[in-house]
Amino acid sequence: GDSVTQMEGPVTLSEEAFLTINCTYTATGYPSLFWYVQYPGEGLQLLLKATKADDKGSNKGFEATYRKETTSFHLEKGSVQVSDSAVYFCALQTGANNLFFGTGTRLTVIP
Amino acid sequence: EPEVTQTPSHQVTQMGQEVILRCVPISNHLYFYWYRQILGQKVEFLVSFYNNEISEKSEIFDDQFSVERPDGSNFTLKIRSTKLEDSAMYFCASSVREVKEKLFFGSGTQLSVL
Repeated sequence: GDSVTQMEGPVTLSEEAFLTINCTYTATGYPSLFWYVQYPGEGLQLLLKATKADDKGSNKGFEATYRKETTSFHLEKGSVQVSDSAVYFCALQTGANNLFFGTGTRLTVIP
Repeated sequence: EPEVTQTPSHQVTQMGQEVILRCVPISNHLYFYWYRQILGQKVEFLVSFYNNEISEKSEIFDDQFSVERPDGSNFTLKIRSTKLEDSAMYFCASSVREVKEKLFFGSGTQLSVL
């Protein structure tokens, strides 16, 4: 069935470090791919998305490229800030009216 | 920015009791969802709701679960007879259109079944 597998956390980085959170997927058909973020005490928020192969989603300095050949959608940011500390969820959708999420990766950025 | 509101933030109940989790979706949204996350596991889809009826549900959403939009603003999830394994964070979400568009989530209700 459809699923996503994302990098286990937690991840701890120093401010201005480079971030990669890996996400791979299994899906029938051609899924849309998403990264959601959950800041402390808040709900999940859409961070970025890509709807077809080779699309790059970007927002707030984060980027992820839809790679069909490697079935991946890794999240990257060149220079993280303390305010980026949150839980990041990779997700996919394949036509049905729901999303398949990963387990979430907790990121802590220290000054 | 408008937000989805969930109450309560924490709910503790005894096994076998009924619980109702409440959500107020964003007012102009038409699609409503419940998800849950058991500690350490994936966020799992439970059910989607559109036009006053369930449009899709997962295998988790068995006869013990029901959803309702009683008054045009609230969207509730009822668990009739809770089990220990129902302990999880329950997230409500809504969207204007189908889920390929932006999904707005509430901050969740942590349900603990003792």
